[in-house]
Amino acid sequence: QLVQSGGGLVMPGGSLRLSCAASGFTFSHAWMTWVRQIPGKGLEWVGRIKSKGSGGTTDYAAPVKDRFTISRDDSTNTLYLQMDSLKTEDTALYYCTTIQLPPPNDAFNVWGQGTMVTVS
Amino acid sequence: DIQLTQSPSFLSASVGDRVTITCRASQGISTYLAWYQQKPGKAPKLLIYAASTLQSGVPSRFSGSGSGTEFTLTISSLQPEDFATYYCQQLYNFPPMYTFGQGTRLEIK
Repeated sequence: QLVQSGGGLVMPGGSLRLSCAASGFTFSHAWMTWVRQIPGKGLEWVGRIKSKGSGGTTDYAAPVKDRFTISRDDSTNTLYLQMDSLKTEDTALYYCTTIQLPPPNDAFNVWGQGTMVTVS
Repeated sequence: DIQLTQSPSFLSASVGDRVTITCRASQGISTYLAWYQQKPGKAPKLLIYAASTLQSGVPSRFSGSGSGTEFTLTISSLQPEDFATYYCQQLYNFPPMYTFGQGTRLEIK
């Protein structure tokens, strides 16, 4: 299970941090991602963090690279999305998800409930 | 970047119908494709991964096929709970892009 918190209204240029608390699985082994969705529109991948055992590295989609940072705290089973220099086009519902492995069987198999971010 | 194009974008069908949704990739992605179902106000749900493998707990009326650039999601006999939006997703790129298709909205006729 993934339970999200954070989100809300922020002015352009501002910052916000989203949290995603995991339970029911071995979080430290999990690769995690963030996906966003403008209400009424499609899904957009935001970024990914591997497990520390796989190097703990991060990758980001071009629209958020250098502004967003994904991190994890395996001691508290929590995933974070730090969003800086926010733009109006970042307004969306943000989901955290797990990635089931290994390839080619990877897919986003567990999703949080979503948290709304409004930049205005 | 790899683009995914779903067709149709909108589909109207009746309970009991067999429906097929197509997802075309702009370049070959082997079988690195997943399908998701999303209902209004809910998070997406994984249906199929690796193009044709049914996720645990998903009804067998859902099936996927394809490889390379063309993929299909088929629902053999529509049930009332199947009316939703369906997305395909590619997981082929490195570095990852995890692109989604634009979605197919399936509504009751």
